[in-house]
Amino acid sequence: DAMVIQNPRYQVTQFGKPVTLSCSQTLNHNVMYWYQQKSSQAPKLLFHYYDKDFNNEADTPDNFQSRRPNTSFCFLDIRSPGLGDAAMYLCATSSGINEKLFFGSGTQLSVL
Amino acid sequence: EDKVVQSPLSLVVHEGDTVTLNCSYEVTNFRSLLWYKQEKKAPTFLFMLTSSGIEKKSGRLSSILDKKELFSILNITATQTGDSAIYLCAVEPRGGANNLFFGTGTRLTVIP
Repeated sequence: DAMVIQNPRYQVTQFGKPVTLSCSQTLNHNVMYWYQQKSSQAPKLLFHYYDKDFNNEADTPDNFQSRRPNTSFCFLDIRSPGLGDAAMYLCATSSGINEKLFFGSGTQLSVL
Repeated sequence: EDKVVQSPLSLVVHEGDTVTLNCSYEVTNFRSLLWYKQEKKAPTFLFMLTSSGIEKKSGRLSSILDKKELFSILNITATQTGDSAIYLCAVEPRGGANNLFFGTGTRLTVIP
């Protein structure tokens, strides 16, 4: 029973063409996170929402935006993808900050 | 369906104790198994294991993989309060996309 669901599993976009990745959760968790993971590296936190409060990491490029219209859904928008943005994007949730993370299976983004 | 199961879910020990965390997995076309330490919001990388029977060691932490029995253990000797964290196990299948399947984690608490 998937609890953190990411769609699509694979996404191909063109250089500069906006793309949106989606994440939904059935856990009713307060916190939702977006991570970028490149091969064999630890996931890098981009931002997180605590309820409706958006928290951006200092080194997250402006090219990355996020929306959380309700508790269950969170979106990652990449306004103008570059070749360097090709990566696995992981969504995670937790009931609170410092609580256990529950990860989705990720969306692999390719930029052509 | 690919899955990763960690045990125990939580563990409380005293400083100086030795702990063993377990991770078992079922995955199609295994490539590697990774251990992460989660403190606060983001996991930090500990080990990547690809071959059976070869112990990886970093200070007081060590890990080994058994590809026949499909499990890995993470050992921490002479535990310290700074080892308190959630330890995540993830498995990476082959296939060109670096999907990671995460276990639910083991919460370790080390008390003085």
